[in-house]
Amino acid sequence: AQSVTQPDIHITVSEGASLELRCNYSYGATPYLFWYVQSPGQGLQLLLKYFSGDTLVQGIKGFEAEFKRSQSSFNLRKPSVHWSDAAEYFCAVGANTGNQFYFGTGTSLTVIP
Amino acid sequence: GAGVSQSPSNKVTEKGKDVELRCDPISGHTALYWYRQSLGQGLEFLIYFQGNSAPDKSGLPSDRFSAERTGGSVSTLTIQRTQQEDSAVYLCASSSVLAGSGTGELFFGEGSRLTVL
Repeated sequence: AQSVTQPDIHITVSEGASLELRCNYSYGATPYLFWYVQSPGQGLQLLLKYFSGDTLVQGIKGFEAEFKRSQSSFNLRKPSVHWSDAAEYFCAVGANTGNQFYFGTGTSLTVIP
Repeated sequence: GAGVSQSPSNKVTEKGKDVELRCDPISGHTALYWYRQSLGQGLEFLIYFQGNSAPDKSGLPSDRFSAERTGGSVSTLTIQRTQQEDSAVYLCASSSVLAGSGTGELFFGEGSRLTVL
């Protein structure tokens, strides 16, 4: 069955430190992969997506993610975190046929000064 | 419109009342999704509309929940006889369908926060 796992429920990092949020998926074919960010009281905003091609994708706000097929992972990274990055982050898998999207349970990021 | 619009942004109701939540997707997007997000939880899929096809209702938690999409655009999610456990943020998203394949990225509205007293 298709699923998305975000192993870290909550992460705390210092401002300026690097960040990596983990995402593992289970999907029978080549997936479409997404990272979304949700600030308090807001809807979800797309950070980046992978459909095909270069496995290292760049997104908004200085984020990047790397698709590793052998590890079924799509981890999100940022070299230097800003206080404004504090939010909830969701990884998602979209089917390349049909309509289903599968979301992880999210990782809450706290940034300390 | 420029983005997905949802209304009301906040709704407080009494247990047992019916509520309607509205979603206006991005113009031209044929796919429309409803999700529920309870406090501290991830996204729970509720229902999916794609063009004129029959909707995928597999995520609706009970028969008190229903949704329709008129004219392939605006959608209304209706919850009858609301219960306290229905309190959550209801998110709507729309998407364009990639030619010959699955859906593209989802564009989300800001949600409707429902509180059932």
